[in-house]
This record gives sequence, C-alpha cells and structure tokens, in this order.
Amino acid sequence: AQSVTQPDIHITVSEGASLELRCNYSYGATPYLFWYVQSPGQGLQLLLKYFSGDTLVQGIKGFEAEFKRSQSSFNLRKPSVHWSDAAEYFCAVAGYSTLTFGKGTMLLVSP
Amino acid sequence: EAGVTQFPSHSVIEKGQTVTLRCDPISGHDNLYWYRRVMGKEIKFLLHFVKESKQDESGMPNNRFLAERTGGTYSTLKVQPAELEDSGVYFCASSQVAGRIYEQYFGPGTRLTVT
Repeated sequence: AQSVTQPDIHITVSEGASLELRCNYSYGATPYLFWYVQSPGQGLQLLLKYFSGDTLVQGIKGFEAEFKRSQSSFNLRKPSVHWSDAAEYFCAVAGYSTLTFGKGTMLLVSP
Repeated sequence: EAGVTQFPSHSVIEKGQTVTLRCDPISGHDNLYWYRRVMGKEIKFLLHFVKESKQDESGMPNNRFLAERTGGTYSTLKVQPAELEDSGVYFCASSQVAGRIYEQYFGPGTRLTVT
C-alpha cells in the first residue's frame, strides 16, 4: 500500500532563511507526487507536482521540490522564507483517483 | 471562477446527534471527493463520486456515514449518529477528470467537533 512520511511535525525558520521540508514516499510504481499548502481558513492549495521528466520541479510562490528515486524522497525547498509562508504543508502521492497524504508539517516563521 | 465551497465551516454537536455537511464542487467538475483529517493524523480519503455515482467508497469508516450526490452537482455527507471519534476536519475536493495526473481542487474544510 502507498504511504507518505513527513518526519517533521513543526519547523521554525527565521524570515529570509532557507527552508527544506522532508517527504518520503512508498509506492509500487512510478509515483505521482504533490505538495499542498493550507493557510488558516483556506483550502489546500497545490504548490507543485511531479509526474515525470526533470526531477527538479518548480512551483508557485517560489517553491521547488526535488524527486530522488533512490531515496524515495520529494523534499520541498525555498531559498528565502517570507512571513506569509507560515502554514501547514502536505506531501501526497496519487493512486488512481485518490491522494494519500503525509501528516503535514507546520511551518512557523520567526521575525 | 468560484472554488470548492463547503458548509458549514464549523459544527459542534453532541454525541448521538446527526450532522450533514455540504460540498459544492467547481462548476463542471464531474469528480467529487471527500477526505477527513482526524486531529494529529493524516488527511484520509473517504470516497469518490463520478457525477452521481459512487466510484470508490473504500475509505468510508462505517455505516454511520452516508454520502449522496443527487443530480451530480453538490454532495452531502451525513453522520448519524455522531460519535466522539468522528471529530475532525472534513475536506471536499473536485476535479474535471479522474486519474492520477489530474489536480484535485480542495475546499476549506468543515471542522466537526463531537462533544
């Protein structure tokens, strides 16, 4: 069965510092991977997705993620965090029509 | 274009009561999904509608949960009778086409608290 692990429940980053959120997946075939973000009072918003091709994927809001098959990872990165990035981030892998999510990582941004 | 909307945003009910959650998908989206996040856990799939038909309801926890999508537009999720463990955030999502590569658009969720 497919699964997603986000090992960090909370992360605090200073504004302007770089960010990396970890995601490891388990899937029997070629994975289709997603990162979503949820800001307070908002729905889940898609940041980026990986299906095939270039393993470095660019997304919205300056985020990127790198797919590493050998490590079963799909880590999310941003070179300089803004206070508005404070939110909860979810990594997910797609089944035929369903998504399997990790538990989420809450990002706190300090001044 | 309006996004996925859910009503109510919050609901507090007592154990044993009934609650009905509503989801309005993006217009024209035939596929509608329900997910649930229990506190401290992952967001988990509940079921998938294609138009008014249940395509996959493998994630429904038990027969206290009833989902409908009459007419293939909005959907309701009824919990009857509610139990304490039903507390959580219920998300609805929709997509134009089903399949792994198609983005699901999520609503803001309904936070259900059962006391």
